[in-house]
Amino acid sequence: EVQLVQSGTEVKTPGATVRISCKVSGYSFTDYYMNWVQQAPGKGLQWMGLVDPDDGVTIYADKFRGRISITADKSTQTIYLELTSPRSEDTAVYYCAAPMEPLVRGSAFQHWGQGTLVIVSS
Amino acid sequence: EIVLTQSPGTLSLSPGERATLSCRASQSVSSNYLSWYQQKPGQAPRLLIYGASRRATGIPDRVSGGGSGTDFTLTISRLEPEDFAVYYCQQYGSTPSTFGQGTKLEIK
Repeated sequence: EVQLVQSGTEVKTPGATVRISCKVSGYSFTDYYMNWVQQAPGKGLQWMGLVDPDDGVTIYADKFRGRISITADKSTQTIYLELTSPRSEDTAVYYCAAPMEPLVRGSAFQHWGQGTLVIVSS
Repeated sequence: EIVLTQSPGTLSLSPGERATLSCRASQSVSSNYLSWYQQKPGQAPRLLIYGASRRATGIPDRVSGGGSGTDFTLTISRLEPEDFAVYYCQQYGSTPSTFGQGTKLEIK
C-alpha cells in the first residue's frame, strides 16, 4: 500500500525558515517524481514544484522559485519542502503528491499526503 | 501557463440528480492530460479522472469525464450524498501544472 505521511503543524514567525517532510512507503522511491501543492485557507490548489528523487533535479513554479527548496533523501525515502523567509501569505496547507506513472513528469496525482498546516504569524 | 476556468462556481442539486461540471483551458491541453479531483473539508484531494476520461481505481462508473482540446466536463449521473464536495480540474500536460479554481457541489 502506498503511503505518504507528512510532518505535523508548524507555527512560524515571518522570516523564520520552515521545513516540512513527506515520508514515502509502498513503492519504489526513486521511480516517481514528487510534487508539492499549496492550498491557502478557503482557496484552491496551486502546484509549487517537483523533485526527481533519483538525482535531486527540481522544477519550480515561477511564483515560488527562489523562495522554496524541494529535496529528497533516498536513505530515508523522505521528501522535504523548505520555505525560506515565509510571510503571512504563505499560511496554508501543503500537500505532497505522487503521480500515477513512474519516470514521467506529466502524470495525474494519484497519491496524496494528509497535508501539513503551516501558520506564519507574528 | 495554461489557465483553467471552472464553471459554475457553485452547483446546487439534490441527491439522484445529474451533475455536469465544466473546465475550460486557455490553450489546448497537451495529449488531453486533464484530471479531476474531489476534495472534502479537512481532507486531501482524491483523484477521480485522468487522461480526460479514464476513471481512477475505485471510482464508480456513474462518474465520467469527457472533452478534449480546451473544453472538458465531469459528469456524475446520479448524485449520492457522498458526492457533495469541491471538485478541481488539473492539466498536467505542460509545466507548470495548473488547477482550476474549483466548483462546489452542494445539496439543494
